[in-house]
Amino acid sequence: LAKTTQPISMDSYEGQEVNITCSHNNIATNDYITWYQQFPSQGPRFIIQGYKTKVTNEVASLFIPADRKSSTLSLPRVSLSDTAVYYCLVGDHSGAGKSTFGDGTTLTVKP
Amino acid sequence: GAVVSQHPSRVICKSGTSVKIECRSLDFQATTMFWYRQFPKQSLMLMATSNEGSKATYEQGVEKDKFLINHASLTLSTLTVTSAHPEDSSFYICSASPGLQETQYFGPGTRLLVL
Repeated sequence: LAKTTQPISMDSYEGQEVNITCSHNNIATNDYITWYQQFPSQGPRFIIQGYKTKVTNEVASLFIPADRKSSTLSLPRVSLSDTAVYYCLVGDHSGAGKSTFGDGTTLTVKP
Repeated sequence: GAVVSQHPSRVICKSGTSVKIECRSLDFQATTMFWYRQFPKQSLMLMATSNEGSKATYEQGVEKDKFLINHASLTLSTLTVTSAHPEDSSFYICSASPGLQETQYFGPGTRLLVL
């Protein structure tokens, strides 16, 4: 199983850009990298998925270096409502089966 | 699009009773559904993977006779916690995927409290 390592927690202030890095040293050739956001007592919400280089959507960017042993989720100009737990998963498109949820990163956005 | 619902959202039951939780994909057909359990301040733990029309695949340490999973149609999977005990109290979350190689979408979760 592909194991991921993330910082346990991060603090930021409203309006700042936040970058959360995930290490996945034993990522397999066919593995994708998927990030989810979870609020308390809710199911995770899909944020972004990528395989290599850079992916951008309306809420975030995902940067993946050439060796793919890590990835960085970038949240531009965070707000208080971005306070949540962010999980990085490595595996097939579905993000399950071949990978497990790590401990996640608790992001706290302060006013 | 890609909405997954769960019912009930919260359930309280007495020890020894069975509880059924439904997971539905509302706007797509889900070939594969996943069931997770999450204890307070912990990460999600995958319990089992279910494919429509076949038996579920359980993760190591998950009792298949205690957590019965049925995936009878492409839009519905059910998890039945049989003879529930207080230690089964947890947050149960399902997810659905149009195919095993596609992104999974999560339901809102079901909070189970066993007294």
